Amino acid sequence: NAGVTQTPKFRVLKTGQSMTLLCAQDMNHEYMYWYRQDPGMGLRLIHYSVGEGTTAKGEVPDGYNVSRLKKQNFLLGLESAAPSQTSVYFCASSMSGGSGEAFFGQGTRLTVV
Amino acid sequence: GNSVTQMEGPVTLSEEAFLTINCTYTATGYPSLFWYVQYPGEGLQLLLKATKADDKGSNKGFEATYRKETTSFHLEKGSVQVSDSAVYFCALSETGGSNYKLTFGKGTLLTVNP
Repeated sequence: NAGVTQTPKFRVLKTGQSMTLLCAQDMNHEYMYWYRQDPGMGLRLIHYSVGEGTTAKGEVPDGYNVSRLKKQNFLLGLESAAPSQTSVYFCASSMSGGSGEAFFGQGTRLTVV
Repeated sequence: GNSVTQMEGPVTLSEEAFLTINCTYTATGYPSLFWYVQYPGEGLQLLLKATKADDKGSNKGFEATYRKETTSFHLEKGSVQVSDSAVYFCALSETGGSNYKLTFGKGTLLTVNP
C-alpha cells in the first residue's frame, strides 16, 4: 500500500527560485495537509484542504500557495524561495478531521541557499 | 486557540527503564488526543489515540489516559527498548465545526541506550 507519497524527497534551491512539492494519496481521503517541521518548533500547519477544489490557510501560509485540483493530489508551491523556507515538509491526509487518524508522507527536505 | 505543551527533551533512558512523557493541552471544546511517533528519517505515524474523557489509548506497550480534569494526556511505557528511540509528538484535534486540523506539541526526543 502506497499511502501518502511525497516527491521529491530532497531538493536544494537558490534564493528566488520556484518549485512545487507534490503529495499524492491513494486512500480516498477528503482532508489533506501540508506541515513544515523545524527544530524546536514541532509541526506547523501551512495550508490544508477539506475536499477537492478547496484550500485554506493554516498557521504559517505566507510565501506558499497550494492547489487541490484532484482529490488524490495536494500541491505546495513556493513562488520565490527564501532561506527561511529551509525546512522539512510533510504532507498528511485523513478521512475525517476530528477523531480520525492522519497519515503522513516520508517528508521532503528542502534547503534554500 | 488550541495548544499542546509537552515536556522538553531530550530524554535519555537505559533499556527496560520506565518512560513518562508529559503532555497538557488547551482547547475550547472536547478534543480528540493523539500520540504520534517519528522514527529517524521517516514521517509521523499514529501511536495511540483517545477520543473522550477517561479513555485509555494503548499500543506497543505504550499507554495514555485522557484526563479532562487536568487537561493531560501523558505517555507511559513500563519497559522501553532501544527500538523505541524516536521523537514523540502529542497532538489534539477538535471535533465538529470547521476546525479539522491537528495541533502538535513541539516533540520530545527519546534515546534508549542498551
